[in-house]
Amino acid sequence: QSALTQPASVSGSLGQSITISCTGTSSDVGSYNLVSWYQQHPGKAPKFMIYEDTKRPSGISYRFSGSKSGSTASLTISGLQAEDEADYYCCSFAGSRHWLFGGGTRLTVL
Amino acid sequence: EVQLLESGGDLVQPGGSLTLACVASGFTFSSNPMTWVRQAPGKGLEWVSAISGSGAKTYHADSVKGRFTISRDNSKNTLNLHMNSLRVEDTAIYYCAKELVYGGITYGFDVWGQGTMVTVSS
Repeated sequence: QSALTQPASVSGSLGQSITISCTGTSSDVGSYNLVSWYQQHPGKAPKFMIYEDTKRPSGISYRFSGSKSGSTASLTISGLQAEDEADYYCCSFAGSRHWLFGGGTRLTVL
Repeated sequence: EVQLLESGGDLVQPGGSLTLACVASGFTFSSNPMTWVRQAPGKGLEWVSAISGSGAKTYHADSVKGRFTISRDNSKNTLNLHMNSLRVEDTAIYYCAKELVYGGITYGFDVWGQGTMVTVSS
């Protein structure tokens, strides 16, 4: 099982919107509605941002939204703020109680 | 407040052994599946192992199968990761994480500890 594919980096200006893609296969992202997303600031633990492809946990800003089409999931951040600058990871259930993470995307806010 | 606190990280030689611990508080530990995730220096996240609430069922990534064992002591609210035959490539920050579970389905990892560093080097 290979890691899910994410772009290494994305950037956007303050107030703009960006989308991070996460591509898997029909055995993981495409088979289950179990994609989650995590935000990680340097030197910090990951933070749970999206689950079940599209749902936001309590306390997560509405500016963060998830979607999925086939074997590709996406995280969209609208109204970019300086504090959104971080690494973002997708994760998908891959069957047999195993999980796959993406390689991570570094978001730069210009 | 839900909290996870890892400990046990250290410098160990290749082929050596180490046991990590994660103490949980603020939720009903015994009914919640738990997971270990690691992150090599400058790299991404990698799922390592998971365990059911009772401890009866365990799961390991292929990269650690046969070398690592996950366990838990529900009387002490403690999750463990026993690591044997350590390799240089096992060098990483190891995070314990609480699984978000509804109706028996895990939807992700909603609470993370601060991590503990394991360095495998001669």
